[in-house]
Amino acid sequence: QSALTQPASVSGSPGQSITISCTGTSSDVGNYDLVSWYQQHPDKAPKLMIYEGSKRPSGVSNRFSGSKSGITASLTISGLQAEDEADYYCCSYAGSSTLVFGGGTRLTVL
Amino acid sequence: QLQLQESGPGLVKPSETLSLTCTVSGGSISSTSYYWGWIRQPPGKGLEWIGNIYYGGSTYYNPSLKSRVTISVDTSKNQFSLKLSSVSAADTAMFYCARLQRQKSYFDYWGQGTLVTVSS
Repeated sequence: QSALTQPASVSGSPGQSITISCTGTSSDVGNYDLVSWYQQHPDKAPKLMIYEGSKRPSGVSNRFSGSKSGITASLTISGLQAEDEADYYCCSYAGSSTLVFGGGTRLTVL
Repeated sequence: QLQLQESGPGLVKPSETLSLTCTVSGGSISSTSYYWGWIRQPPGKGLEWIGNIYYGGSTYYNPSLKSRVTISVDTSKNQFSLKLSSVSAADTAMFYCARLQRQKSYFDYWGQGTLVTVSS
């Protein structure tokens, strides 16, 4: 069970859109529509942003969206705001009631 | 509003067993809809899933940690616990407890986390 692969960092200017990829295998991301995304600000607990690949919890801005193609899931943030600067983690169900996280991506808002 | 709170020693000696408890308030741990999980994060690094437990006692562990991890539940106290044996400095991390939606595999409520340092 290897960690999902995310870019170490991405950046964008306010108002722009960015996409963070999360690449797994046919045993996790590619086999289940059960990818979730978490936002983590410094010294804070992670916060759920997307679940089941593309669903947003109540209270999460519609600027956040998720998708999947094959073994790669993606998180897109549109209309970037300064408050979006944080670390983002994907997580996928990996079968047999196990889970696997991605290595995390640091988003910098320029 | 559901709340989770981790508790336990902040310092553990190498080769000893790390023990943490998560107390759930504002909801019952004895729900068929959820698992209860532990996640850790070494300083400056990413999240790592440790394992989950169902209120009935069924457990599911990260294969890489399975030989050293035990998760248990006490429904009478609305708590679940983590034990990690034979710790080393590599186990130094922030430990989070969280609620996992059982059928959909996402963590919707998290504790604030507790830092455990392994050092003599």
